Amino acid sequence: DGGITQSPKYLFRKEGQNVTLSCEQNLNHDAMYWYRQDPGQGLRLIYYSQIVNDFQKGDIAEGYSVSREKKESFPLTVTSAQKNPTAFYLCASSLGFGPKEKLFFGSGTQLSVL
Amino acid sequence: QKEVEQNSGPLSVPEGAIASLNCTYSDRVSQSFFWYRQYSGKSPELIMSIYSNGDKEDGRFTAQLNKASQYVSLLIRDSQPSDSATYLCAVKKSGAGSYQLTFGKGTKLSVIP
Repeated sequence: DGGITQSPKYLFRKEGQNVTLSCEQNLNHDAMYWYRQDPGQGLRLIYYSQIVNDFQKGDIAEGYSVSREKKESFPLTVTSAQKNPTAFYLCASSLGFGPKEKLFFGSGTQLSVL
Repeated sequence: QKEVEQNSGPLSVPEGAIASLNCTYSDRVSQSFFWYRQYSGKSPELIMSIYSNGDKEDGRFTAQLNKASQYVSLLIRDSQPSDSATYLCAVKKSGAGSYQLTFGKGTKLSVIP
């Protein structure tokens, strides 16, 4: 079955630690995205990528980093510079990047600070 | 003014009634509009998209768009308890050479059996 796989489902970070969230898709989609969701809040865009080896900052990129070495994969690293990382992280993808392209989401990773 | 605004709710409707969810947006150049359903602890699921003024129907769901009023709504007919979820409105507009999707905070819907 085609889809977007995020792992792990739950992740705990210690102070000063970098952690990496995995996102893999087998939909052959060109564009991939990372969103952060805080309780009772909408989704906020962290980073997005339209093609391999290229990515752009979203609204809240500070304290995060990404890579796009393969079309299928778009991992997100939450660095120690992100002082409030506790949130639900959602990876998404779309076939293209036009105005009518629909985003489809993975199942999410809940990150908490120990 | 927030870019995409929704009443946070909760909106409570009895089973079988019509649920009406509303969303306003601030940027007139917005081009595409989406409704996502999100169950607690789960990821958003796309249920409707609409791109031009008027109504678009899909089963029990109807999306309505009025670009002049900068208003988009979602009607759910014959509401079921399984429709109880948070509904996110998302608006896409062009900017800086790309298309950005901006989400509202969502409206929590509760369908009472």
